[in-house]
Amino acid sequence: GAVVSQHPSWVICKSGTSVKIECRSLDFQATTMFWYRQFPKQSLMLMATSNEGSKATYEQGVEKDKFLINHASLTLSTLTVTSAHPEDSSFYICSAEPRTGEGADTQYFGPGTRLTVL
Amino acid sequence: QQQVKQSPQSLIVQKGGISIINCAYENTAFDYFPWYQQFPGKGPALLIAIRPDVSEKKEGRFTISFNKSAKQFSLHIMDSQPGDSATYFCAASRGNQFYFGTGTSLTVIP
Repeated sequence: GAVVSQHPSWVICKSGTSVKIECRSLDFQATTMFWYRQFPKQSLMLMATSNEGSKATYEQGVEKDKFLINHASLTLSTLTVTSAHPEDSSFYICSAEPRTGEGADTQYFGPGTRLTVL
Repeated sequence: QQQVKQSPQSLIVQKGGISIINCAYENTAFDYFPWYQQFPGKGPALLIAIRPDVSEKKEGRFTISFNKSAKQFSLHIMDSQPGDSATYFCAASRGNQFYFGTGTSLTVIP
């Protein structure tokens, strides 16, 4: 149980284009979903926290107009990187916190999306 | 201020040995302490977690030791195997506020 999927797993795009990454909790409903960015051999950097049906809460220094987050349902959140530039190239990972049950305090992570902006 | 401090940054252990990774936290309000294992190119996977009402939790070869008074907790991997080679992250949380350690790269050599 507690499986989180991400799509796509790897995307290459041209500078200036927008990229959408989907995060789904497959076998549970998620109260909260999180988006992280991870640079090589570094820890997870929280970008934003989103609750279903409400606006995401962004961490300091994260541009909300550049990284658009939509949490449309209890099982789906999307991150859109708008007007992507090479410096946005990174590994993006989402996680989801179950609404109820034993894992209610736990974050379950997706497999990550490797974004390369040319 | 870093809420969770993790050490060491990297660790090399012989196959069959014990791997020990330590974390210390600041906020006594934290009530959940998970450990995650991450392989290259993959998302972190929940390995084992503990709450502050117990001092130790064991699952197979993985044990968390928790010292509430010292605000420290550690992960012990017994009989370490090459397949355990990965990056390990500790975390401390309360509600949906999670704070991660900086990670430990573990290499188990045959």
